[in-house]
Amino acid sequence: RKEVEQDPGPFNVPEGATVAFNCTYSNSASQSFFWYRQDCRKEPKLLMSVYSSGNEDGRFTAQLNRASQYISLLIRDSKLSDSATYLCVVNDRDNYGQNFVFGPGTRLSVLP
Amino acid sequence: NAGVTQTPKFRVLKTGQSMTLLCAQDMNHEYMYWYRQDPGMGLRLIHYSVGEGTTAKGEVPDGYNVSRLKKQNFLLGLESAAPSQTSVYFCASRSSDGLRRYGYTFGSGTRLTVV
Repeated sequence: RKEVEQDPGPFNVPEGATVAFNCTYSNSASQSFFWYRQDCRKEPKLLMSVYSSGNEDGRFTAQLNRASQYISLLIRDSKLSDSATYLCVVNDRDNYGQNFVFGPGTRLSVLP
Repeated sequence: NAGVTQTPKFRVLKTGQSMTLLCAQDMNHEYMYWYRQDPGMGLRLIHYSVGEGTTAKGEVPDGYNVSRLKKQNFLLGLESAAPSQTSVYFCASRSSDGLRRYGYTFGSGTRLTVV
C-alpha cells in the first residue's frame, strides 16, 4: 500500500462549482499535513497546512480526520485559475527524519 | 528574489555520461532535499541534508550521489546516467522551524532526458 494515496482524477468541473478531494495516508504516526498546488510544468507551491480542527483560507477549506487517516480539501466557487494538480503531503517522522511524503496528486480542470 | 535556484533547467544526456545538478538557496535554510517526479508516482525523495556537511539517503538513492559543502548549495550527481533516470528533478529547502507555516520552498525543476 502506498503511503499517501489520492484519486488522480482528472476532476472536470464548471466555473463556480464546489469540488472536494480526499487523500488517505497509511502511517498513523504522521505529524503534519499539507496541501500543495502544482501547475503544469512548474514546481509545487504550498497551498495550506491542515490543522486538526480544520482550517479555511478564503474559498479553500481543509479537514483532517486522524481516526480514519484521511485529509480533505474543499474548493468553493471554482475559478479557471484553480486548474492545477493538488498534492496531498504528509510529514512523516518515522521515515527519513522529518521529511515530506507526497501523494501522486489530483488533477483539477475548471471549465468555462 | 529570494528562493531556490536550480541549474540547469534542461539537459539531455547520453547513457553512461555524468552530470551534476546544482541547487542554491539564499534563505539560510538548514534542510535541503532532492526529489524526482515521474508521471503518476508523485515526488520521491532521492537524498537530503539536515545541515552543512551532512547528507542522507532517501527513498530512491541508487545511481545518485550528493554533497553539501556549503550551507547554501546542495549538489546532485549522476555518475553514469541511465534511461531510467529520465525525470524532472526538484530541489527543495526549509528552515528548521516554521514548517507548518512555510512548508518547503521548491526550485523550478530540472528536466533531464537520458537517451
